[in-house]
Amino acid sequence: EPEVTQTPSHQVTQMGQEVILRCVPISNHLYFYWYRQILGQKVEFLVSFYNNEISEKSEIFDDQFSVERPDGSNFTLKIRSTKLEDSAMYFCASGGVFSYEQYFGPGTRLTVT
Amino acid sequence: GQQLNQSPQSMFIQEGEDVSMNCTSSSIFNTWLWYKQDPGEGPVLLIALYKAGELTSNGRLTAQFGITRKDSFLNISASIPSDVGIYFCAGVSGTYKYIFGTGTRLKVLA
Repeated sequence: EPEVTQTPSHQVTQMGQEVILRCVPISNHLYFYWYRQILGQKVEFLVSFYNNEISEKSEIFDDQFSVERPDGSNFTLKIRSTKLEDSAMYFCASGGVFSYEQYFGPGTRLTVT
Repeated sequence: GQQLNQSPQSMFIQEGEDVSMNCTSSSIFNTWLWYKQDPGEGPVLLIALYKAGELTSNGRLTAQFGITRKDSFLNISASIPSDVGIYFCAGVSGTYKYIFGTGTRLKVLA
């Protein structure tokens, strides 16, 4: 069964450093998403991406964040200058065109020290 | 901003019991989704609802899209230990913007 994959599973970085989180969506999906989940809290929408551009973004997704689909398979989230409060699980998800169903990857745990 | 409140926040139930949880909002959504999340994993889609009043089942799970489009309900019948986890509702607004609820943590006592 096709699934969303994410790398790395755990990333530790120092405050102020740039990080890139990577995702490989399900191959025939066209909509891509990033979410974050601070430990013990709810899942928070960051951004949706379709046709090589951002469809929607939340208030959390400020200028420090960017997304890119650099090739036909990867979808990345970049945080330019990490802050302590960026520590969280980051989930990638993908979905098809004809429904709102979306499927999540296993997540990347980001720890900012 | 938009917010989805889930109740109860957590519940302990005996194996074999039925479970009900709900999700309410002050905003209207056009699509409701229910997810289950196990510790350390990503949410797994359980049920998607697309029309007000719609009632959809997936095995022992049944979910309903409220008539007002501001709420949704999830029922689990005859709970088993592997039902333990956190259940999230999500409403879709705008163009592919998903708002997740606060979650209901379910614990099943064997």
